[in-house]
Parts: sequence; C-alpha cells; structure tokens
Amino acid sequence: QQQVKQSPQSLIVQKGGISIINCAYENTAFDYFPWYQQFPGKGPALLIAIRPDVSEKKEGRFTISFNKSAKQFSLHIMDSQPGDSATYFCAASRGGSQGNLIFGKGTKLSVKP
Amino acid sequence: GAVVSQHPSWVICKSGTSVKIECRSLDFQATTMFWYRQFPKQSLMLMATSNEGSKATYEQGVEKDKFLINHASLTLSTLTVTSAHPEDSSFYICSARGQGFYNEQFFGPGTRLTVL
Repeated sequence: QQQVKQSPQSLIVQKGGISIINCAYENTAFDYFPWYQQFPGKGPALLIAIRPDVSEKKEGRFTISFNKSAKQFSLHIMDSQPGDSATYFCAASRGGSQGNLIFGKGTKLSVKP
Repeated sequence: GAVVSQHPSWVICKSGTSVKIECRSLDFQATTMFWYRQFPKQSLMLMATSNEGSKATYEQGVEKDKFLINHASLTLSTLTVTSAHPEDSSFYICSARGQGFYNEQFFGPGTRLTVL
C-alpha cells in the first residue's frame, strides 16, 4: 500500500514558468512533510518542509501548499530555471522530523531553456 | 552545516566478496542514521535505522545477516554488504539526523555498488 502518492511522474516546464508537483497521503498521523531534490548520481537534498499547523511555507522560489482536510500537499517552483532540472521527492512522517520518512515515487522535472 | 559524507562513492567487486560503506556526519552528532537503497529511476527504500550504540532496526524483507550495520559513534555508521551478488548492485544512500538545528534527515552523496 503506497502511503504517499506523488504526481506527475515527469514534468516539462519552460524556463520562467511555474512547476507544480502534488502529493497525497493517507495516514492522518503524518505530521511532517518535507520535499527533497535529487540530481543524478547524488543523494537527496532537503529543500523545504512543512508541518500541518500551517497551510503554506515559502523559501525563495520554493513554496509548499498544504491542505490538511484533503490530505494533500504540493511543491511550487516559481520562475523555474534549467538548474532546477532534477528529481523531486515528497515525503511524510509521523513524530515530526523524528519519524521515519515515507517517500513518494518521485517526479522528474525538466526545465527547458 | 549539516554535511554527511559517504565513502567510497563507487565500488566494483566480485561476487562473493564483502563490501563496507562508511557514512559520516561531518559537522554534527547524529543520534540516528538511516540506510536507503535506490534502484534506477525509483524512489528511496529504507533498509534500516540505527541509533548510536544500539542494534539496527531493519525494515521488513531486508536480511540483517546480509546487510550488517554498525553505528559505533555519533558521527559514523557503516553498512557491510556480505557475500555480495549481482542483485545487490544498487545505489546505497545514508542519512543522518541529529538534534536541535540538525533535527532533520540530511543525506549523504550515495555509494554506487556494482557486483560482477
């Protein structure tokens, strides 16, 4: 049973556009939702994370939107750049950041110049 | 801050040999370390969780006798793949979590294992 569903599997966006990646979860006990960025042959890097007491968190060009009632959260990348081309993983855990992360299947983002 | 290193970055070995991968937290003390496995174009699969000085907790389906994990200090964890076979070829990634500011999972760069 997949606890965190991520979509789309791949995404192509023009430079300067907005990239949107969505995730849905089933376990209402999850209380920590991070996003990771992974370049080929590298380990994932933490981008931004949110907890369910807020509906939105912004860091630079990256924004997480969180809808607790719908059990969904999404990553928005504003003014997408070719350097943003990577695979993005959403994750969820319970017990805050102390919990074990459950990852989505990933979204491969390609930003065309 | 929050740098996690892995060594080696890649290794090629013959079938039947054992391979050790090191994971180090360079600028913080990691109370918990995690080992993941990632197949091409797939997500990360948690193999085991280890706390310093304690035995590792393995996920269902992961052979503890094949994947030996040691978390001897607050900055070092090792994964030993014993009697490696071609099906063990994969990208192995560790992560470390500390306390306070470092209370997030920070990932290492990964180790590419190829078993011939």
